[in-house]
Amino acid sequence: GENVGLHLPTLSVQEGDNSIINCAYSNSASDYFIWYKQESGKGPQFIIDIRSNMDKRQGQRVTVLLNKTVKHLSLQIAATQPGDSAVYFCAEGSGNTGKLIFGQGTTLQVKP
Amino acid sequence: SQTIHQWPATLVQPVGSPLSLECTVEGTSNPNLYWYRQAAGRGLQLLFYSVGIGQISSEVPQNLSASRPQDRQFILSSKKLLLSDSGFYLCAWSRALGYTFGSGTRLTVV
Repeated sequence: GENVGLHLPTLSVQEGDNSIINCAYSNSASDYFIWYKQESGKGPQFIIDIRSNMDKRQGQRVTVLLNKTVKHLSLQIAATQPGDSAVYFCAEGSGNTGKLIFGQGTTLQVKP
Repeated sequence: SQTIHQWPATLVQPVGSPLSLECTVEGTSNPNLYWYRQAAGRGLQLLFYSVGIGQISSEVPQNLSASRPQDRQFILSSKKLLLSDSGFYLCAWSRALGYTFGSGTRLTVV
């Protein structure tokens, strides 16, 4: 089963606001963490990743924060847009087989 | 560039019928390949992964099997489908950090 879980199944935000999606993980030995975005009927798409030796990484409008002390991961989306509406999954992985363990997912709903 | 192809996109099959879903990867060699299943409103469950031709690891006991007859081909099969096999099946490949997913197959067993 999954070892990575999400705190909230659904997040509703106003267009233009910032979104924060949270994730708790259980394996302190994981080497890296990845956020994926999945639109309805499609496969998940890579958003951003972070290695376990980092605590913050920024991309375009997205920031991932890693707190290893409490085994918590978050995805921040700035100025949320309608196109950001999707299910977001966090995943953790470690080197050898490249297997990823996915959380249950958080549905992000953006209100116009 | 690397691409991953998965077909068919949708499939409706009767209970007890066989299944064969195919996934191929282009533009890379010796990828790790994965089959995931996603039930409606749920997360991704790893079914099988393969690190090379003929090498298959099963993550959960089930009614399905996988094969890798060629380096960039990964097949998901069943001899007799069950209603509980319905779901969204995703193939993915990786070489290093993270996966690239296919577009998925929506399987409905009736």
